[in-house]
Amino acid sequence: DVKVTQSSRYLVKRTGEKVFLECVQDMDHENMFWYRQDPGLGLRLIYFSYDVKMKEKGDIPEGYSVSREKKERFSLILESASTNQTSMYLCASSTLGRATDTQYFGPGTRLTVL
Amino acid sequence: EDQVTQSPEALRLQEGESSSLNCSYTVSGLRGLFWYRQDPGKGPEFLFTLYSAGEEKEKERLKATLTKKESFLHITAPKPEDSATYLCAVHRGRTGFQKLVFGTGTRLLVSP
Repeated sequence: DVKVTQSSRYLVKRTGEKVFLECVQDMDHENMFWYRQDPGLGLRLIYFSYDVKMKEKGDIPEGYSVSREKKERFSLILESASTNQTSMYLCASSTLGRATDTQYFGPGTRLTVL
Repeated sequence: EDQVTQSPEALRLQEGESSSLNCSYTVSGLRGLFWYRQDPGKGPEFLFTLYSAGEEKEKERLKATLTKKESFLHITAPKPEDSATYLCAVHRGRTGFQKLVFGTGTRLLVSP
């Protein structure tokens, strides 16, 4: 079974702090994704990576950056956390080559910014 | 603009009372439609992928169908453990990476 893990289930940070969210997948997937999920808005794509050190902006990249130094690990960075970044953050992974391949999700990190 | 709309927003059923959830979409060149189940406080769990109109897939009490404009998730004789939010997503018909557009989900509550 595909296993996607995220470093924290719950996180509380203060405004202005730098925040790191980490995601690890164990299926040798090329693609990795970061989403945020908010009530009434659904899942929105923040960033996507299709290979080590490669990244693409999603629909809402402002205020975020990402890092992918190893194939299995994809990090989301909030450079200076703000209260409007309080949300559920979800990581996903999928294989490369077939555009319709399924994205498999991690358990999520509930981030609260005070 | 690519869009996915799910209805109803919430649905309450009695155990054994069959029903359907709807996912309507407008996307240029559908390349796949996905159904996920999400329990409170957890990540979405993959259920089905449908690729073309007329396709159907089944898993236990769930059956997903696809037309050119919408998909249905039929739930037959549901049990309380089927209570969850069901998400629909479509893959946009552009070359390049797998960009999915998600609906906001249907919250299903099945009472004993």
